[in-house]
Amino acid sequence: GAGVSQSPSNKVTEKGKDVELRCDPISGHTALYWYRQRLGQGLEFLIYFQGNSAPDKSGLPSDRFSAERTGESVSTLTIQRTQQEDSAVYLCASSKDRLYEQYFGPGTRLTVT
Amino acid sequence: ELKVEQNPLFLSMQEGKNYTIYCNYSTTSDRLYWYRQDPGKSLESLFVLLSNGAVKQEGRLMASLDTKARLSTLHITAAVHDLSATYFCAVTPYNNNDMRFGAGTRLTVKP
Repeated sequence: GAGVSQSPSNKVTEKGKDVELRCDPISGHTALYWYRQRLGQGLEFLIYFQGNSAPDKSGLPSDRFSAERTGESVSTLTIQRTQQEDSAVYLCASSKDRLYEQYFGPGTRLTVT
Repeated sequence: ELKVEQNPLFLSMQEGKNYTIYCNYSTTSDRLYWYRQDPGKSLESLFVLLSNGAVKQEGRLMASLDTKARLSTLHITAAVHDLSATYFCAVTPYNNNDMRFGAGTRLTVKP
């Protein structure tokens, strides 16, 4: 079956612009996560969605970051007024439920110039 | 705050040798995960360890969990070049959504 997909795969943007990243989870997966991975680093948790519950936004680094998810479908991560330190790979993962293994998408490589 | 520490961070080993990667974490956890990441690729799930004493094996990799010591190990047996990758452990704190990843162990297996 189809795995987690993300788009775009690469995004180059100028400092100060807004960007929107998209994640299509595996069908039927109620849990969806966004992570950030800087070059050569581990993963940094950003936000978690579980079904129709309020998202856990505790990992968002600033109010320039926001994310939405409608039900158990597509999620978008928006970064406003991008800064160079936002350059990273943004990974999305989905799972059947919070405690099940996560399946990761291929990531979106964001470069802010 | 939950901390997850892996060691070593870099590991260069010869084919045919054995080695162990360690993952320590600082608080009570629901479960522990091991992932593999190839350069430029996303993460692939290797193991999910659910309870104290859990041991799982897949090919040349074996993972174990000691919840009392808050320690998981990933043991590599008779390494082959194809195992070269970065290995991450990750922990979900009890009753928390914030999955924390270790910094990763970059493994290079040389012929």
